Amino acid sequence: AQSVTQLGSHVSVSEGALVLLRCNYSSSVPPYLFWYVQYPNQGLQLLLKYTTGATLVKGINGFEAEFKKSETSFHLTKPSAHMSDAAEYFCAVSPMDSSYKLIFGSGTRLLVRP
Amino acid sequence: DGGITQSPKYLFRKEGQNVTLSCEQNLNHDAMYWYRQDPGQGLRLIYYSQIVNDFQKGDIAEGYSVSREKKESFPLTVTSAQKNPTAFYLCASRGQVTVAEAFFGQGTRLTVV
Repeated sequence: AQSVTQLGSHVSVSEGALVLLRCNYSSSVPPYLFWYVQYPNQGLQLLLKYTTGATLVKGINGFEAEFKKSETSFHLTKPSAHMSDAAEYFCAVSPMDSSYKLIFGSGTRLLVRP
Repeated sequence: DGGITQSPKYLFRKEGQNVTLSCEQNLNHDAMYWYRQDPGQGLRLIYYSQIVNDFQKGDIAEGYSVSREKKESFPLTVTSAQKNPTAFYLCASRGQVTVAEAFFGQGTRLTVV
């Protein structure tokens, strides 16, 4: 069965530092991959997605992610953290079949220190 | 404005009562989803529907029921059989292709006392 693992339930960085949030998927066939952000007591908002083509994907708010098939990874990065980036981030996978199933990881809460 | 609406935002119920959470979308999306969110556990899939009058169980369907009589609506009933119903519930919808992103409602926080 398709699954997604996010390493680190909490990540703390200083303002201006690099942000790296990790996501690994388990699938013999690479799925479609998504990163979402959630602010407290709200729904989720799409940051970026990988379907096919270029493996480096740019998203909103300066975030980007690189798909690495050999490592079954789709880590999220941002060169310089801002206080407003503090939120919970979710990686999600959707298999390349007709099931429409959309599976989320357990999430990583990003804390940004002044 | 196009979007997905969940109501109510906060819901309180007594233990043993069934409760129905509303989810409506005007995005003309075929697929709709219900997730449960608990601290540290991410989003767990309860049910999803790809088309009207059809739906599939997700990973934690026990104690929940859904219907999909209209494309726009996908209500979730939390039954008395659900042992620990207090949680944040999120509804989402997606377009007709599996590469499409999901759009989320603002969530309903259910508290059972």
